[in-house]
Amino acid sequence: AQKITQTQPGMFVQEKEAVTLDCTYDTSDQSYGLFWYKQPSSGEMIFLIYQGSYDEQNATEGRYSLNFQKARKSANLVISASQLGDSAMYFCAMREGRFGNEKLTFGTGTRLTIIP
Amino acid sequence: DAGVIQSPRHEVTEMGQEVTLRCKPISGHNSLFWYRQTMMRGLELLIYFNNNVPIDDSGMPEDRFSAKMPNASFSTLKIQPSEPRDSAVYFCASSIGLADITDTQYFGPGTRLTVL
Repeated sequence: AQKITQTQPGMFVQEKEAVTLDCTYDTSDQSYGLFWYKQPSSGEMIFLIYQGSYDEQNATEGRYSLNFQKARKSANLVISASQLGDSAMYFCAMREGRFGNEKLTFGTGTRLTIIP
Repeated sequence: DAGVIQSPRHEVTEMGQEVTLRCKPISGHNSLFWYRQTMMRGLELLIYFNNNVPIDDSGMPEDRFSAKMPNASFSTLKIQPSEPRDSAVYFCASSIGLADITDTQYFGPGTRLTVL
């Protein structure tokens, strides 16, 4: 089974609208971390936001927020007031909390295109 | 602060040649990761080091690939001999190396390798 599932291969959103990128995960660990990265066309991987499994509040970083629903095992990224510069690939990733495990497992990504 | 530095940014070589990719992690980071990104397989972890020691190399595709970390500020990924199917973007990432789920990996700009 896939550990990280991103079901939206591509999305088109009008500039200034909010956008939600879906991510579901699968783990039997009680302790885990969820990460979102942005990859613009230039190719670099940019860390956006982190959510821990024990965090009671949804994480926020500027225009980015994470809609964390633990019971549903979902960690959707919300971008408010989208901008043209938000056009990029977005990857969801998970680190499971087993001792000594530092691996990140990535989803297949969602390509977001912001339309002027 | 300087981020993760990778060189070269682009490499074009012919099949059978040796290729060496270089990475300088963020100062103070104790964990270093090598990833490969292709359209077919997405982002794959090849190997990671903690305190210069290889911890998990289960993602290294075959014996043609080798990685070293002679000191805390430098790592290499070598492919010998290279093959066309090795064409990909190779990322290096580093993290503080905390033994918990909050540890965030920061990526370098990547090396785009083309093997003709």
